[in-house]
Amino acid sequence: AQSVTQLGSHVSVSEGALVLLRCNYSSSVPPYLFWYVQYPNQGLQLLLKYTSAATLVKGINGFEAEFKKSETSFHLTKPSAHMSDAAEYFCAVSDPGGNTPLVFGKGTRLSVIA
Amino acid sequence: ETGVTQSPTHLIKTRGQQVTLRCSSQSGHNTVSWYQQALGQGPQFIFQYYREEENGRGNFPPRFSGLQFPNYSSELNVNALELDDSALYLCASSLGGQGGANVLTFGAGSRLTVL
Repeated sequence: AQSVTQLGSHVSVSEGALVLLRCNYSSSVPPYLFWYVQYPNQGLQLLLKYTSAATLVKGINGFEAEFKKSETSFHLTKPSAHMSDAAEYFCAVSDPGGNTPLVFGKGTRLSVIA
Repeated sequence: ETGVTQSPTHLIKTRGQQVTLRCSSQSGHNTVSWYQQALGQGPQFIFQYYREEENGRGNFPPRFSGLQFPNYSSELNVNALELDDSALYLCASSLGGQGGANVLTFGAGSRLTVL
């Protein structure tokens, strides 16, 4: 079965600092991978997705993620954190082809300090 | 285009009761998926409906059931509520009967508290 592990349930960065949220996947073949963001009292919003095309994926709000098969990782980064980035971030996986439901990690709460 | 709307936003039930949660899918979407998000956890897949039929189910007992209507809206029903059913229930719509590669549009959720 596929799964994702998000390292760090809570990450705190200063405004303007690099954001790095870690996600490792478990799958026998390269899967489809997703990052979602959840703001308080809101649903999940897709930031970006990897579907076996370019390994460096750019998303909304200045976020990007790089698929590294050798490390089974799909870490999310943003060069400069803004206060508005404070939220819960979820990594998710589906089978290649996207025919299975998303399996989510437990989430990482990002705090941004002024 | 309208997004995914869910109702009610909050509700409180007691153990043993039954609850119905409702979801209106995004305009143009024909597939609805339901997820349960317990406090401090990621969402877990309950089931998916496509063309009014259940089209995949996660590891949830039969007391979790659903419906999809001709207008693609959906209901999630939970019978014999247990304390562990307390969670945020998320509905997501998509196009084409696939819950993975197709982008899921999520609603804001219905927060259920079971006392």
